Amino acid sequence: KAGVTQTPRYLIKTRGQQVTLSCSPISGHRSVSWYQQTPGQGLQFLFEYFSETQRNKGNFPGRFSGRQFSNSRSEMNVSTLELGDSALYLCASRGASTEAFFGQGTRLTVV
Amino acid sequence: SQELEQSPQSLIVQEGKNLTINCTSSKTLYGLYWYKQKYGEGLIFLMMLQKGGEEKSHEKITAKLDEKKQQSSLHITASQPSHAGIYLCGADMGNFGNEKLTFGTGTRLTIIP
Repeated sequence: KAGVTQTPRYLIKTRGQQVTLSCSPISGHRSVSWYQQTPGQGLQFLFEYFSETQRNKGNFPGRFSGRQFSNSRSEMNVSTLELGDSALYLCASRGASTEAFFGQGTRLTVV
Repeated sequence: SQELEQSPQSLIVQEGKNLTINCTSSKTLYGLYWYKQKYGEGLIFLMMLQKGGEEKSHEKITAKLDEKKQQSSLHITASQPSHAGIYLCGADMGNFGNEKLTFGTGTRLTIIP
């Protein structure tokens, strides 16, 4: 069974640009959660989608948004990038009554 | 302050020695999850604990959740180089299920020969 796939693995963007990250969950999993990991703040919850609906949201500004498609694949978008948005972005997929499986992450560098 | 405190922040252990990592919350946890992360990579699931007093083991790793469901420990017996990495505890703080986890700051484990 294929794991959680995140693309791209690495990304370099300029301040003010926007970026879209993609996450393909494990087949059959309908819940996708996104996390931001930085050295200073650690691993922080961004939002969670289930069946194309956002169910939970963390404390991040509106520049961070996401969506989920009917095949459960999810994207997150960050607009007007700031230097502080440089981080490892992780997504996790979850099936019914199972633990969360994480992808390898997308390393975003904002310059 | 962190909702979930992990200690120690880093640990250097000689190969073959035992070690313990702790994860503490001031609130009752609905679920406690242990993950391992290699630097800059994704998280690998280790164990999930949900009941007070629960204890689980896998190979040389044992995790426990106390009766009050506010503290968990991860114990590694006879450590090996393959155990090196960052250990993270994640908790469901509000009965959200594990779709929304709050994580500790992590413990960086180094194994020296």
